Amino acid sequence: DTAVSQTPKYLVTQMGNDKSIKCEQNLGHDTMYWYKQDSKKFLKIMFSYNNKELIINETVPNRFSPKSPDKAHLNLHINSLELGDSAVYFCASSPEQGARSPLHFGNGTRLTVT
Amino acid sequence: GNSVTQMEGPVTLSEEAFLTINCTYTATGYPSLFWYVQYPGEGLQLLLKATKADDKGSNKGFEATYRKETTSFHLEKGSVQVSDSAVYFCALSDRGFQKLVFGTGTRLLVSP
Repeated sequence: DTAVSQTPKYLVTQMGNDKSIKCEQNLGHDTMYWYKQDSKKFLKIMFSYNNKELIINETVPNRFSPKSPDKAHLNLHINSLELGDSAVYFCASSPEQGARSPLHFGNGTRLTVT
Repeated sequence: GNSVTQMEGPVTLSEEAFLTINCTYTATGYPSLFWYVQYPGEGLQLLLKATKADDKGSNKGFEATYRKETTSFHLEKGSVQVSDSAVYFCALSDRGFQKLVFGTGTRLLVSP
């Protein structure tokens, strides 16, 4: 009965490949997010969606393309992976748009690009 | 832009010691302030929050007071346990509450 689930948990791939990370939430929340956490634990928002509509795109390279087929899912597709993409990617959701409500995070996907 | 500054870690304490993790912020307007905790191998969880000046957030023995005059939101706990070992993130709401801006996190290590 995991609230926010991401798959896969670990992803190891070579430069230039294309990969996807999936996220699903069963909390009935309207808003979902992708955050990137680098090796120094710095956490930065990448995207947010509200009811399948893109709300925030934080100057992320267009190799990153989020897709929200419905409000319970927000997937992240990454083209032409680069070494600098290695990080932990967290999906999160909240009941309403904005930061007044607590964010519920998934357990993260550790991406390693070699 | 809005930002959050946290003390560098790791903070290493013995069980039952007093904990303070400093957090200061820069913001226009009146943001809400949060502390999130990340246990090993897990995502972040909300620990506590405060939405206006002089509010005190508290949870699981942790407390933080929103101090507008010093732009601070320091996290405190009177007696830490080994199970409190984690990374703690201070955050503020930004852009009309559209998103959270996180600090760099402070790792806490508590030994028996």
